[in-house]
Amino acid sequence: KAGVTQTPRYLIKTRGQQVTLSCSPISGHRSVSWYQQTPGQGLQFLFEYFSETQRNKGNFPGRFSGRQFSNSRSEMNVSTLELGDSALYLCASRGVAENTEAFFGQGTRLTVV
Amino acid sequence: SQQGEEDPQALSIQEGENATMNCSYKTSINNLQWYRQNSGRGLVHLILIRSNEREKHSGRLRVTLDTSKKSSSLLITASRAADTASYFCATFGNQFYFGTGTSLTVIP
Repeated sequence: KAGVTQTPRYLIKTRGQQVTLSCSPISGHRSVSWYQQTPGQGLQFLFEYFSETQRNKGNFPGRFSGRQFSNSRSEMNVSTLELGDSALYLCASRGVAENTEAFFGQGTRLTVV
Repeated sequence: SQQGEEDPQALSIQEGENATMNCSYKTSINNLQWYRQNSGRGLVHLILIRSNEREKHSGRLRVTLDTSKKSSSLLITASRAADTASYFCATFGNQFYFGTGTSLTVIP
């Protein structure tokens, strides 16, 4: 069974640009959640999608948005990039049942210059 | 924001010794999960313990959960150099909250 796949692995963007990150969950998993990891703030929850609907949202500005497709693949978009958006972005997929493990991808390392 | 804190923040031990990390959290949970992260890479799932469980084992890992104290511990027995990583606890209520992590260094 393939794991969670995130693309691209590395990105360098300029301030003011926008970026789209992709996450393909484990086959059969319908929940995809996104996290930002920085040295200063640790792992912060961005949002979770389930069956193409945003189910939960963390405390991030509206520049951070996401969506989920019918095949459960998810994308995260960050508009008007700021230097502080430089981080490792991780996505995780989970099965339908409540008490199931969340499996993470390798992450996308975004650097904003 | 994180709802959990881990203790200690950093731990350095000799190979073969046991390593214990503690995690405290703030709200009620459905389950608590432990993850390992090697040097800025993705998180590897280690173990899930449900809120109605008190202890769980997986290989060299032993996890305890005390919901009355809102705390959990992860014990790694007979540590190896390959166990060097950061370890995070994550609690799941209606979303995941991660602890601050413990950086474990196992010296060969």
